[in-house]
Amino acid sequence: KQEVTQIPAALSVPEGENLVLNCSFTDSAIYNLQWFRQDPGKGLTSLLLIQSSQREQTSGRLNASLDKSSGRSTLYIAASQPGDSATYLCAVKGGGADGLTFGKGTHLIIQP
Amino acid sequence: SQTIHQWPATLVQPVGSPLSLECTVEGTSNPNLYWYRQAAGRGLQLLFYSVGIGQISSEVPQNLSASRPQDRQFILSSKKLLLSDSGFYLCAWRQTTSVTQYFGPGTRLTVL
Repeated sequence: KQEVTQIPAALSVPEGENLVLNCSFTDSAIYNLQWFRQDPGKGLTSLLLIQSSQREQTSGRLNASLDKSSGRSTLYIAASQPGDSATYLCAVKGGGADGLTFGKGTHLIIQP
Repeated sequence: SQTIHQWPATLVQPVGSPLSLECTVEGTSNPNLYWYRQAAGRGLQLLFYSVGIGQISSEVPQNLSASRPQDRQFILSSKKLLLSDSGFYLCAWRQTTSVTQYFGPGTRLTVL
């Protein structure tokens, strides 16, 4: 059974810093990996999707990498802003059920 | 453009009462539909998914059920709620030709 772990569970940094969120998964047989953002009490917003054949994806200040063989992904946020404060979720799509397996998320606070 | 709706946004129900949560998608046809639950201290968990009208796959044994009476309507139900059913319920959809899932705004369910 696929398990997804995100480290750290919570992170608080001053505005302007670059930061890295980590995600690991136990079964490397994945089709893709997605990073989502969740604001309090809200649904999920997809940030980046990396196919299993890809190594990284970039969108603005966000860069996600994937090392499928080692079961790891990182989300890099450059020049963090208070508006980046949210919970960031990592999810993988495996070969089983047609759904995603999620980590518990990293709760990020960017201090003004 | 496509949109996904969930209602109600918030619900407080007594133990043993029935439940009906609704999800509808606009602007697409024959989507894959999903129900996820986010319980306190746990990651998002896939509950049900559907690839077509009347086709439901259950991922987690529980006292919940799902139905898809129309192409773009997905309903989550229970005959008798338990305390452990409390959580944040998210509906999601994706095009069969795409890998990206899009999430609704969610329903916060509190069972007392």
